[in-house]
Amino acid sequence: DQQVKQNSPSLSVQEGRISILNCDYTNSMFDYFLWYKKYPAEGPTFLISISSIKDKNEDGRFTVFLNKSAKHLSLHIVPSQPGDSAVYFCAASAQGGSEKLVFGKGTKLTVNP
Amino acid sequence: KAGVTQTPRYLIKTRGQQVTLSCSPISGHRSVSWYQQTPGQGLQFLFEYFSETQRNKGNFPGRFSGRQFSNSRSEMNVSTLELGDSALYLCASSLNSAGLYNEQFFGPGTRLTVL
Repeated sequence: DQQVKQNSPSLSVQEGRISILNCDYTNSMFDYFLWYKKYPAEGPTFLISISSIKDKNEDGRFTVFLNKSAKHLSLHIVPSQPGDSAVYFCAASAQGGSEKLVFGKGTKLTVNP
Repeated sequence: KAGVTQTPRYLIKTRGQQVTLSCSPISGHRSVSWYQQTPGQGLQFLFEYFSETQRNKGNFPGRFSGRQFSNSRSEMNVSTLELGDSALYLCASSLNSAGLYNEQFFGPGTRLTVL
């Protein structure tokens, strides 16, 4: 049973436009969400996170939106740059001291110059 | 501050052998987690260690084990290797400060190939 789902395996956008990556979850115990970026042959790099007490968190070009009622979160990248091309993973955790992250299967973003 | 380091970066083994992977967390980080990444299953949680104790465990067979030392460094062991164990093994560390949400920082991974 996949608790965190990224239904789009790939996404292609033009440089300068907005990239929107989506993630859905099923476990209502999740209360902390993270986005990671991964290049080939490297470990995931932390991008941005959001706790369930918020509905938006912004860091530079990256904004994460959380809709708890829909169990849905999204990552917006504005403006998109060719260097953003990577695989993006959504992850979730249920607190209580747990460091266990449940990951989606990732979305490969390609930003075309 | 140095990041999470993992050794070795690449490893080739044959079925039935065992393997030990090593992870050094970011200085000051007390929690170390291990993940397996495969093309079909994505990133899956193996286990987490904190203060030399396994605190969380994923759904992997007993052939997968680990430990953490007093300096927070961690090792992961896989015994009786199977072809399906071929994967990228990632280690992540976090501060695990009580009351705070903790981002995990990943190492570059160890690519294990089982022949």
